[in-house]
Amino acid sequence: ETGVTQTPRHLVMGMTNKKSLKCEQHLGHNAMYWYKQSAKKPLELMFVYSLEERVENNSVPSRFSPECPNSSHLFLHLHTLQPEDSALYLCASSWGLAGGGETQYFGPGTRLLVL
Amino acid sequence: TQLLEQSPQFLSIQEGENLTVYCNSSSVFSSLQWYRQEPGEGPVLLVTVVTGGEVKKLKRLTFQFGDARKDSSLHITAAQPGDTGLYLCAGAAIRGSQGNLIFGKGTKLSVKP
Repeated sequence: ETGVTQTPRHLVMGMTNKKSLKCEQHLGHNAMYWYKQSAKKPLELMFVYSLEERVENNSVPSRFSPECPNSSHLFLHLHTLQPEDSALYLCASSWGLAGGGETQYFGPGTRLLVL
Repeated sequence: TQLLEQSPQFLSIQEGENLTVYCNSSSVFSSLQWYRQEPGEGPVLLVTVVTGGEVKKLKRLTFQFGDARKDSSLHITAAQPGDTGLYLCAGAAIRGSQGNLIFGKGTKLSVKP
């Protein structure tokens, strides 16, 4: 059973809207991640936080802004998005950093549609 | 750029059949993970393989890591409708970002009763 929750599960927004995605992990993990999952593309890592410090930012447009107020919560703030940003946004957490082979636990995702 | 190529992209089979999914790269990975993702859910880890040549079994699922740690396979015996889902492989680079797993595009499996 996943200990990672995400809200909302579905979101429809216009290109001029501002919205936020929320992720919460109940596993006591130190690292948290945002991924983007689009059809016909591999999972794309967007942001990585370890002990509340951002350790990776994979050239993500500035219209996506992450926030990690503590080790249990992760937000993704969205503003002036484009239709091509429509995708499933997945949050994950792990004890250590995933590049070291750590198991990641994923949330159910937020299905985002930008009109 | 490191890439993981998964094949096939889509697979539709009848219950009881066997199947194999492949994950290939020209890069060497320190470890490789297999995930299954069901509709409306996030990926769930099935297994991590670490040693070249390693074989791990999980009930009807058999995972193998290539000797050179560049490729992996997932074999399902006597598939069942409950095996339906998206199967993802993900590799941890030997020299790369500590936060980054490289994911394949996935294999979408449909098992019909």
